[in-house]
Formats: sequence, C-alpha cells, structure tokens
Amino acid sequence: GAGVSQSPRYKVTKRGQDVALRCDPISGHVSLYWYRQALGQGPEFLTYFNYEAQQDKSGLPNDRFSAERPEGSISTLTIQRTEQRDSAMYRCASSLALVGTEAFFGQGTRLTVV
Amino acid sequence: TQLLEQSPQFLSIQEGENLTVYCNSSSVFSSLQWYRQEPGEGPVLLVTVVTGGEVKKLKRLTFQFGDARKDSSLHITAAQPGDTGLYLCAGEGSNDYKLSFGAGTTVTVRA
Repeated sequence: GAGVSQSPRYKVTKRGQDVALRCDPISGHVSLYWYRQALGQGPEFLTYFNYEAQQDKSGLPNDRFSAERPEGSISTLTIQRTEQRDSAMYRCASSLALVGTEAFFGQGTRLTVV
Repeated sequence: TQLLEQSPQFLSIQEGENLTVYCNSSSVFSSLQWYRQEPGEGPVLLVTVVTGGEVKKLKRLTFQFGDARKDSSLHITAAQPGDTGLYLCAGEGSNDYKLSFGAGTTVTVRA
C-alpha cells in the first residue's frame, strides 16, 4: 500500500479480554516498530522487528504484551487480559533500515479498555 | 525513563519570535531525527542529521547535531502560527536501527 496501515482505528474492549492490533507496513520496509503514545507525549518504544526477527522487546510493559511478524511483513501486537491502564494510542511505524532513513507512521489504533 | 530528554516541555510564543528546542542524551546515536506531529496524526519527519557537528537548514528551521552525536537542537526563526505542533526528536541506535523518541515539546505560536 501507499502508507502504513493500522487496524482497527478504534477498539473498545472489556477488561479481561484479549485484543490484537494489526500493522501493515510499507511494502519493502525492513524495520517495523510498535509504540504507545499518550496525548501530547512522544511515542514510547514497545518493540521492533527487522524482517521477521524481533530485535528488541524491552519496551513491552509486561508479559501480557506480545508481538509477532511471522513473514516479515504484517505485524500483530497482542494484549492479553486487558486492563484499563492499557488504554492508549498504539502506533506502528516502518522504515528501510538504513542509517538515517525516515520512519513512516500509521494512523494508530486507539484502544479503550472499559 | 526517557533515553532522550527534550526541553522545554511547553513553549508558547508570539508570531515573529524565535524559539529553540533542545534534545539531550547520554547515549551516542548514528542519526538524530526531528519529527513534527499535529493532533490526530502520526509524526512526520522534518530532518535527519547524521554527522557530528552537522547543521541543516529547512527554510526558517535550523537543526544542529552535537559534535559527540549525543544531542541536538531545533531553532525556528520568525515563528508563524503554522509552526504550532508537537516537536519530537528521535535517536537511532548506534548498533541497531532502534528508534527512540523524546517526550516532545509542544509549541504554540500565537497570532
């Protein structure tokens, strides 16, 4: 596609349910990043992939959060047993993985846990 | 704890004034990127600096990368209301492509 696509754009879920957030990066982009962003704040790093390999997952808050990118393209961020504190904007970005290249962001998924 | 510290957190100035935003870290980066984000949108790249001491100009915006590649600044000359937004610096790891963001500076330019 022309840009990074995230789905769904909005997700309301009940506490305790599992959710899966999808990111479709720009075709050919090697690196894929997941961030969480609070209103008016910078994106908080969660995890990133080069191709299908998860390079760093140090930003995942706890073991309820996981991510995969099995074929080196589409990625899924899964949150199990959601809690109200998980409510946030989740953003995905992709890049060519060359030094200094731009990260292109998707529109984000607004997750609300009620 | 943010890897990159941005200051100030908020900046409100009158149209025509100048402003500077700072981005500091104890880590060395292979590149430092500046993004601007508007409400409801994702961050969009303004510039990338790669070489220590590098200065780049983009119209009224001047970006500088510190000699040690640990810090950067963004200077806006004669600010306009259209410059209003959230300015973010992002450092690219020196050993990988991990991109870490600062907490951002919210700039408001009053007409």
